[in-house]
Amino acid sequence: AQSVTQPDIHITVSEGASLELRCNYSYGATPYLFWYVQSPGQGLQLLLKYFSGDTLVQGIKGFEAEFKRSQSSFNLRKPSVHWSDAAEYFCAVGPNSGNTPLVFGKGTRLSVIA
Amino acid sequence: DGGITQSPKYLFRKEGQNVTLSCEQNLNHDAMYWYRQDPGQGLRLIYYSQIVNDFQKGDIAEGYSVSREKKESFPLTVTSAQKNPTAFYLCASAGTGNQPQHFGDGTRLSIL
Repeated sequence: AQSVTQPDIHITVSEGASLELRCNYSYGATPYLFWYVQSPGQGLQLLLKYFSGDTLVQGIKGFEAEFKRSQSSFNLRKPSVHWSDAAEYFCAVGPNSGNTPLVFGKGTRLSVIA
Repeated sequence: DGGITQSPKYLFRKEGQNVTLSCEQNLNHDAMYWYRQDPGQGLRLIYYSQIVNDFQKGDIAEGYSVSREKKESFPLTVTSAQKNPTAFYLCASAGTGNQPQHFGDGTRLSIL
């Protein structure tokens, strides 16, 4: 069965510091991978997605993620964090066909300090 | 603008009462989904529908019901059989070809 693990429940970084949020997945075939962000009391917004091709994908708000098949990972990165990046981040995996529901990780809450 | 509208934003349920959460999309998406979110639990799938007049149970369907009579609408009913309904409920939709899911802003359900 497919699954997504986000090992870090909560991360705190200083404003201007770099950020890496970890995501590991278990999937039997070539997956589609996604990162979403959620502000308190809001829905989820898509940051970026990986379907195929270049393993380094760029997203909105200056985020990027790298797909590493050998490590079953899809880590999210940002070179310089802004206070407005404080939110909850979810990694998700889905099949590469059809509209079968995505499987989500439990999320990583990011706090940003001055 | 195209998007997903969930209503109401806040909802209160009395003991033994059924309540219905609305989800409407104007993105012309075929697939629609309902998730429940509890602190520290991530998103758990309740029901999903890939086409009008058809839907499937997700991981936590007990105590919930849905209908999909129109492409743009996928209401969720929280029945009295759901003993712990207090949660944040998110509706999502997706186009064909496994496009990313788009989410509404959620409905927070509480018990009176």
